[in-house]
Amino acid sequence: EAGVVQSPRYKIIEKKQPVAFWCNPISGHNTLYWYLQNLGQGPELLIRYENEEAVDDSQLPKDRFSAERLKGVDSTLKIQPAELGDSAVYLCASSKNHDYEQYFGPGTRLTVT
Amino acid sequence: QQQVKQSPQSLIVQKGGISIINCAYENTAFDYFPWYQQFPGKGPALLIAIRPDVSEKKEGRFTISFNKSAKQFSLHIMDSQPGDSATYFCAASWGAQKLVFGQGTRLTINP
Repeated sequence: EAGVVQSPRYKIIEKKQPVAFWCNPISGHNTLYWYLQNLGQGPELLIRYENEEAVDDSQLPKDRFSAERLKGVDSTLKIQPAELGDSAVYLCASSKNHDYEQYFGPGTRLTVT
Repeated sequence: QQQVKQSPQSLIVQKGGISIINCAYENTAFDYFPWYQQFPGKGPALLIAIRPDVSEKKEGRFTISFNKSAKQFSLHIMDSQPGDSATYFCAASWGAQKLVFGQGTRLTINP
């Protein structure tokens, strides 16, 4: 069974530029999560989807961050414009609906210069 | 109340020894407590998890001990091996919603 797929794995951009990350969850997993992991810290939830619906986006900085999961499968997280403080690893995870076990992708390491 | 506090920040253990990492939580609504293992450049991988209705769960060399009254749980790695060197995160969740992670423990197993 294929795991959670994320791309790109690495991204370097200048501040004020836009950036987008893509995630494809494990087949059959209806719940998708985006987490932010700063260096030396544990992941923090940005947004949680159940199918197409964003059911928890309370931690998403909506002035510059947006996300979508139009067909209830893959998802895109966007930052526009990026700031220096956005440098971090962006992790995608998925789980079966109402299941506790979350499985993480390898992450996208973003560097904003 | 949303926090999970993890200690120590770093740990060095000799090969064959027992590695012990501790976590504490405040929110009594938490009903799922997983441990994740993360290698550099990789995403966190689910290692073992426990529900609050049991006090201990063992899978191979990995054991979770859970103390509901103290609101604490710990990971024990028996016969620690160099390949266990990684960062370990405890976490907690309620109602299969978001995971709240601890700060992480960088474990080094000396050969």
